[in-house]
Amino acid sequence: DAGVIQSPRHEVTEMGQEVTLRCKPISGHDYLFWYRQTMMRGLELLIYFNNNVPIDDSGMPEDRFSAKMPNASFSTLKIQPSEPRDSAVYFCASGTDQETQYFGPGTRLLVL
Amino acid sequence: AQSVTQLDSQVPVFEEAPVELRCNYSSSVSVYLFWYVQYPNQGLQLLLKYLSGSTLVKGINGFEAEFNKSQTSFHLRKPSVHISDTAEYFCAVSEAGAGSYQLTFGKGTKLSVIP
Repeated sequence: DAGVIQSPRHEVTEMGQEVTLRCKPISGHDYLFWYRQTMMRGLELLIYFNNNVPIDDSGMPEDRFSAKMPNASFSTLKIQPSEPRDSAVYFCASGTDQETQYFGPGTRLLVL
Repeated sequence: AQSVTQLDSQVPVFEEAPVELRCNYSSSVSVYLFWYVQYPNQGLQLLLKYLSGSTLVKGINGFEAEFNKSQTSFHLRKPSVHISDTAEYFCAVSEAGAGSYQLTFGKGTKLSVIP
């Protein structure tokens, strides 16, 4: 199994631009999670999906952030417009139950 | 809501020495507990988890952790560390039982193994 795949691995953009992060979960996993990791706040859950349906988006910081999961093998996290304070590492994780989440390698985002 | 406190942000230790990484949690309900490891520029990997049963949990790479309900702790231990154990370690908690998939993470402990 290839594991959770995220793209791009690195993204540098300018303030105000739209950023789209992509995730391919492990095949057969019903749950997909988006996390953000920063030095100040550590790892935070942004949103998670079950069977492609958003279940809890209470961690999404503001309306500039949106996430979709159009099918079982693909999800996106979009930031529009991006701001310097959005600079972080964004992780996608997938799982089949509450007990274990498998993390992707992350996307390192830098907003100038 | 749950919270996790990792008491040490950095732990240096000599190779082949034992190590303990401390984790305390707060919750008003029963919890599941986890330790994850993050190697540089990589995602998180599950080391071990406590769901129920024996309070001593063994994980990968020779690590183990002990759940102590009275002290609300879940400390991670390894009797002899290797250079390759240098990484950041995260303790996490979730509400036990069906329906809650939110992991709350601690701030992490950076383990540096000194040759």
